[in-house]
Amino acid sequence: DTEVTQTPKHLVMGMTNKKSLKCEQHMGHRAMYWYKQKAKKPPELMFVYSYEKLSINESVPSRFSPECPNSSLLNLHLHALQPEDSALYLCASSQADRFPYNEQFFGPGTRLTVL
Amino acid sequence: AQKVTQAQTEISVVEKEDVTLDCVYETRDTTYYLFWYKQPPSGELVFLIRRNSFDEQNEISGRYSWNFQKSTSSFNFTITASQVVDSAVYFCALSEENYGGSQGNLIFGKGTKLSVKP
Repeated sequence: DTEVTQTPKHLVMGMTNKKSLKCEQHMGHRAMYWYKQKAKKPPELMFVYSYEKLSINESVPSRFSPECPNSSLLNLHLHALQPEDSALYLCASSQADRFPYNEQFFGPGTRLTVL
Repeated sequence: AQKVTQAQTEISVVEKEDVTLDCVYETRDTTYYLFWYKQPPSGELVFLIRRNSFDEQNEISGRYSWNFQKSTSSFNFTITASQVVDSAVYFCALSEENYGGSQGNLIFGKGTKLSVKP
């Protein structure tokens, strides 16, 4: 199984809502990533988890809260988002977060719209 | 300075034409990987190829081929006999052994949007 799955596919939320994005992989990978991608731009790294511990937070606002309950699952909890947070959120995984094991496999993304 | 440069923002071709997407990279490392990803309108980033810095052999996979030249720091991607299904944004990316840190960093280029018209 070489798949990374993400749910939901689409999400529309208001600025006062709380919602969560989910990501799952069953490749035995120990590193998982959240990226944010705005239209016509490359993906921007948000968070990296290595062995279920947060190893990188790229100065992401606290209204985004990641969680890694186990080695296969990665969540992104959303609260009090702004319209400018509307984007495609991509999850990825790799064997490890260190070269040369960091070849990343991406999920299909969640397209988030904040009203 | 940009580490991965994809100078072509958008390319439009007619079906069956050959098209080459350019990628120029910059690194101080001697050991690194280069990648190409395809992103169709559905959004998923589809892995196409990984090439390590010690392997300069060109690669062909069906209609796709890659030309890696260390002398010019380029890793170009050619689609032969393009098809409408090739329409997507294509990203070139770099991963460095020493300068990428321990974060598994992929450094992406800005992407090239390819439109193949019937």
